[in-house]
Amino acid sequence: AQSVTQLGSHVSVSEGALVLLRCNYSSSVPPYLFWYVQYPNQGLQLLLKYTTGATLVKGINGFEAEFKKSETSFHLTKPSAHMSDAAEYFCAVRTTGGFKTIFGAGTRLFVKA
Amino acid sequence: DGGITQSPKYLFRKEGQNVTLSCEQNLNHDAMYWYRQDPGQGLRLIYYSQIVNDFQKGDIAEGYSVSREKKESFPLTVTSAQKNPTAFYLCASERGGPTNEKLFFGSGTQLSVL
Repeated sequence: AQSVTQLGSHVSVSEGALVLLRCNYSSSVPPYLFWYVQYPNQGLQLLLKYTTGATLVKGINGFEAEFKKSETSFHLTKPSAHMSDAAEYFCAVRTTGGFKTIFGAGTRLFVKA
Repeated sequence: DGGITQSPKYLFRKEGQNVTLSCEQNLNHDAMYWYRQDPGQGLRLIYYSQIVNDFQKGDIAEGYSVSREKKESFPLTVTSAQKNPTAFYLCASERGGPTNEKLFFGSGTQLSVL
């Protein structure tokens, strides 16, 4: 069975600081991995995804994530936080050939001025 | 513009009442999904449909029902059997099939109990 663990339900950074949101997954077969962002009272939108090929994936708004199979991780990073990055972030996994996307519990990012 | 429309944005349910949440998409997507979001628990799958006139239970289907009579529409009914319905409900769609496609989400419905 697949599962996703996001370390830290809340992360707080200063504006301009590095953002690091952690995600570990469990999957018995090669996974597809996703990061979604949710702003208050809205639906989720895709930040980036890993399917095959290059393990460093670049997404929108300056975010990127690296797939590390040996560590079963897919951590999300951004070199310099902006106030507009404050939101909730969800890591998700889906198996190749699967119909269901499994979401982590989410990490709320706070950005301090 | 194509997208997913959920209505209403806010909904209140009285005890013993069934309520229906609407989800409509004009993306020509085959697959549609209903998720429930509770604080600190992420998104949990209620029901999904890969094609018209067919749907499957997700992880927390008890107390909910759906229909998929049209490709564009996937309404969710929260029945009186669902004893803890207060949550944020999200509808999503994708092109369909076991692919690596992303999910497109509606803006959600907040359901509360009176």
